[in-house]
Amino acid sequence: DAKTTQPPSMDCAEGRAANLPCNHSTISGNEYVYWYRQIHSQGPQYIIHGLKNNETNEMASLIITEDRKSSTLILPHATLRDTAVYYCIVRVAVVGGYQKVTFGTGTKLQVIP
Amino acid sequence: GAVVSQHPSRVICKSGTSVKIECRSLDFQATTMFWYRQFPKQSLMLMATSNEGSKATYEQGVEKDKFLINHASLTLSTLTVTSAHPEDSSFYICSASDPSAPWSYTFGSGTRLTVV
Repeated sequence: DAKTTQPPSMDCAEGRAANLPCNHSTISGNEYVYWYRQIHSQGPQYIIHGLKNNETNEMASLIITEDRKSSTLILPHATLRDTAVYYCIVRVAVVGGYQKVTFGTGTKLQVIP
Repeated sequence: GAVVSQHPSRVICKSGTSVKIECRSLDFQATTMFWYRQFPKQSLMLMATSNEGSKATYEQGVEKDKFLINHASLTLSTLTVTSAHPEDSSFYICSASDPSAPWSYTFGSGTRLTVV
């Protein structure tokens, strides 16, 4: 799996958009970008994933650059409950879910009142 | 959505004893589950891949005789920490993938193990 680089921490004002960057310059053509988050003392939670097109769901938006070497996770209106560690993961998609997921160090997002 | 239940959420045990942690997929069948360990202020570290009906695959550096994994059914995997020591104190998390949504691994809520 391609390696990812994320800033160790970020702050965001409540109600503002949180933009979390991720660099994955060695990504391969068949690798997807996945985002998970982990709220303190809980298991990680899937947020969103994409290949090359921008994606949006009820939780967030994912913007992937045209060269696919970096991406940004956007939480449009951050709340205090969005305070968590956010992990950007790059891997191939596998039908059947047999491929293991390896976590990097992630970005600790602190939403400030 | 898919739910993975992990039990117990917290356990305290004496040094030298064994502790079993259960991981269940509640509304889907999981032929493969994953076990992670997380120390304070660190990321999740994959320990092993649990395969239903066969032996688990352990990551490099993880002692298979110390961390026994059993995946006897399509909805249950167990991790037993044998002869636990204080350095085994950690947050243990399991995960599984719903075959109908293979991109979104679902994680259990974790088990906080404290060995005294």
